[in-house]
Amino acid sequence: DAMVIQNPRYQVTQFGKPVTLSCSQTLNHNVMYWYQQKSSQAPKLLFHYYDKDFNNEADTPDNFQSRRPNTSFCFLDIRSPGLGDAAMYLCATSRQGNQPQHFGDGTRLSIL
Amino acid sequence: RKEVEQDPGPFNVPEGATVAFNCTYSNSASQSFFWYRQDCRKEPKLLMSVYSSGNEDGRFTAQLNRASQYISLLIRDSKLSDSATYLCVVDGGSNYKLTFGKGTLLTVNP
Repeated sequence: DAMVIQNPRYQVTQFGKPVTLSCSQTLNHNVMYWYQQKSSQAPKLLFHYYDKDFNNEADTPDNFQSRRPNTSFCFLDIRSPGLGDAAMYLCATSRQGNQPQHFGDGTRLSIL
Repeated sequence: RKEVEQDPGPFNVPEGATVAFNCTYSNSASQSFFWYRQDCRKEPKLLMSVYSSGNEDGRFTAQLNRASQYISLLIRDSKLSDSATYLCVVDGGSNYKLTFGKGTLLTVNP
């Protein structure tokens, strides 16, 4: 059974139209992460939550925001998607920050 | 020096071959090390953690050299199903995140 679930698997949106990606976990892990991965590149960390504490990476564009309303759910909001935001978005969880991360299947985002 | 640097690859090997991947990391405070595999258009999956004394899981052996800040992964008797990208992953020392290498693509040919 999937323990980190991302919805939707595929998302198509128009240039500039806000989009929200969701992630839920059944592992009760403290830490949740959002990564962006483009073809042939390493996953790039956008931000993470340790419990309710939000941590933004310095180079994450302001266009990207996140919410974690409770332990189980985390959302990625892209306010005005540009063509350069087309990518795979991966959600991951870990019990503590230096422990293995468990990934969801990812959401592949396309921008028209 | 990049935080995590891997062999650029790609590696193309015949079935049954032994293949080794190397990875270096820049943060001497790093304590946790992992190898992940990622299939095409799929999510990364944990292959194995890397322990100081080295560890083995079936055909896979991981080694850590803290003095040289170097990690390796050895795959023996490679199978077609081993074809994937292998990601070296290292913690940031004191902060709550892991850094991923760019990955090395392995293709095992029949």
